[in-house]
Amino acid sequence: DVKVTQSSRYLVKRTGEKVFLECVQDMDHENMFWYRQDPGLGLRLIYFSYDVKMKEKGDIPEGYSVSREKKERFSLILESASTNQTSMYLCASSPYSGRAGEQYFGPGTRLTVT
Amino acid sequence: SQQGEEDPQALSIQEGENATMNCSYKTSINNLQWYRQNSGRGLVHLILIRSNEREKHSGRLRVTLDTSKKSSSLLITASRAADTASYFCATDVLREYGNKLVFGAGTILRVKS
Repeated sequence: DVKVTQSSRYLVKRTGEKVFLECVQDMDHENMFWYRQDPGLGLRLIYFSYDVKMKEKGDIPEGYSVSREKKERFSLILESASTNQTSMYLCASSPYSGRAGEQYFGPGTRLTVT
Repeated sequence: SQQGEEDPQALSIQEGENATMNCSYKTSINNLQWYRQNSGRGLVHLILIRSNEREKHSGRLRVTLDTSKKSSSLLITASRAADTASYFCATDVLREYGNKLVFGAGTILRVKS
């Protein structure tokens, strides 16, 4: 089974802190994604990566950056956390490099910024 | 802006009844997918239907796709308490590199035992 793991299930950080969310997948997938999920808004794509060291902005990249130094690991960075970044963050991976296919999700990290 | 929008936002039924959720989208798609999310967890892929398919089945799930109306429906037959979850449709957006799914806001399904 494909496994996508995220470093923390719950995280509490202070405003202005730099926050790192880590995601690891074990199926050699090319594509990896970071979403945030807020009530009534569904999932919104922050960034995605289709190869090592490659990244593309999603729909809401402002205030975030990403890093993909190894194929299995995709990190989301909040340079200076703000209260409006309190959310559920979901990582996903997909083996398809062309047409969209099934995405495999991690369990999520619920981040609270105080 | 959201590509897929689910209807209804919430649905409450008795165990054994059928549950129908609808999804509408705005632009042409290559495929449409349905996912389930149990409370506070990640999403789990249920079924994918391609743009040239009209209906697809998987166990108690039946998905239909009407590209002329830009809509899809997910039917869960003989529902169980364990089907209680949020259900999301997702449409693909073809890009030069990689792939991108656009998710709707979801339907919250509650199955009462």
